[in-house]
Amino acid sequence: EVQLVESGGGLIQPGGSLRLSCAASGFSVTTHYLNWVRQAPGKGLEWISVIYTSGDTFYADSVRGRFSFSRDNSKNTVYLQMNRLTVDDTAVYYCASVPQWEWPSLDTWGQGTLVTVSS
Amino acid sequence: EMVLTQSPGSLSLSPGDTATLSCRASQSVSDVYSAWYQQKPGQAPRLLIYRASRRATGIPDRFSGSGSGPDFTLTISRLEPEDFAVYFCQQYGNSRITFGQGTRLEIK
Repeated sequence: EVQLVESGGGLIQPGGSLRLSCAASGFSVTTHYLNWVRQAPGKGLEWISVIYTSGDTFYADSVRGRFSFSRDNSKNTVYLQMNRLTVDDTAVYYCASVPQWEWPSLDTWGQGTLVTVSS
Repeated sequence: EMVLTQSPGSLSLSPGDTATLSCRASQSVSDVYSAWYQQKPGQAPRLLIYRASRRATGIPDRFSGSGSGPDFTLTISRLEPEDFAVYFCQQYGNSRITFGQGTRLEIK
């Protein structure tokens, strides 16, 4: 069964850092494009980053320079390092994937992990 | 920066009705990059339609997508109680994914 499980969310003060993890099972992260999509409370979906099978990464303007997307092939896990967090980063963060040949639709989603930035 | 505008913002219909949801892109887009998602409260989004008109695995044929840049449509025929949810359209360009703001489909 294809599955994504996020972890690492929690309460963090403004200016702080947090690292989210997304563990994949049922497929290899080396053959899929992995993404992070977030949803602020009561709001819509905001795509924030993708890592291609090549390892190339792209970011939304709202997080570029503060967030970093990486991959550990041996653990079949991807990570989102989030620095200089602000209250506007408060959201449920979803990990979403798609096979490279089906990009850019996102066919597998994790359950999400909540990040709350507050003092 | 691409902007996707979904209309209407909310829609009240009864089971058995047909829902027509629209999505307009602010710039030239390819239908290859168009997708639709359904999201229910407390759940992750679920892919319904990709490449404008192809149904994702397990999606009933009551759901259909159509259109080409810049206008795309999601049609839900014979609404079932479980179809009442929020729907998002999606496009891709300049190495970025963009979502519409969503259409809330409510039971009348």
